[in-house]
Amino acid sequence: GESVGLHLPTLSVQEGDNSIINCAYSNSASDYFIWYKQESGKGPQFIIDIRSNMDKRQGQRVTVLLNKTVKHLSLQIAATQPGDSAVYFCAVFSGNTPLVFGKGTRLSVIA
Amino acid sequence: EPEVTQTPSHQVTQMGQEVILRCVPISNHLYFYWYRQILGQKVEFLVSFYNNEISEKSEIFDDQFSVERPDGSNFTLKIRSTKLEDSAMYFCASAPQSGGMGGYTFGSGTRLTVV
Repeated sequence: GESVGLHLPTLSVQEGDNSIINCAYSNSASDYFIWYKQESGKGPQFIIDIRSNMDKRQGQRVTVLLNKTVKHLSLQIAATQPGDSAVYFCAVFSGNTPLVFGKGTRLSVIA
Repeated sequence: EPEVTQTPSHQVTQMGQEVILRCVPISNHLYFYWYRQILGQKVEFLVSFYNNEISEKSEIFDDQFSVERPDGSNFTLKIRSTKLEDSAMYFCASAPQSGGMGGYTFGSGTRLTVV
């Protein structure tokens, strides 16, 4: 089955710097990828998604990069703010199978 | 913005007792899910539900678990005889379609504590 991992469990960045959170997945048939943000005591919140026919997608201050060759996904947050402090999960769809979550990276923003 | 509502936000129960966790999915969504998150760990899939039946379930979702959509709006997760290791956050999610375009919308979760 699909396994989804992240390279770092925690990440600390200075306010205003850019953040990069990484994720690796195992199933080459995975075709749809989502980044979720989870604040303390809340459920996962959709940030941005990307389909496997793309390698980059941009949102407001966030960019997702997909490298299907090495099965790697990253989330870039520009000008990181204190409100960005949370746990970030990548999540993967393979066909119609339910969403599989990675382990999460805790982002701490230092003011 | 439409949201998924879960109640209660926190449930404490004694080991061996039955608990029912409740969810109101987004009204025009057709696919429903339960996930759980043990403290500090990743979010794990339990079960998916479509057209009034389970469409997929994980190894975690054993005979102690059941789901139901009793009245067309609520979506419940029942644990018949809780164990200490059932202590976790339980998240309900819904989606308008499978395969997830736009992903799932998650509720804020129910923190289940088994003592």
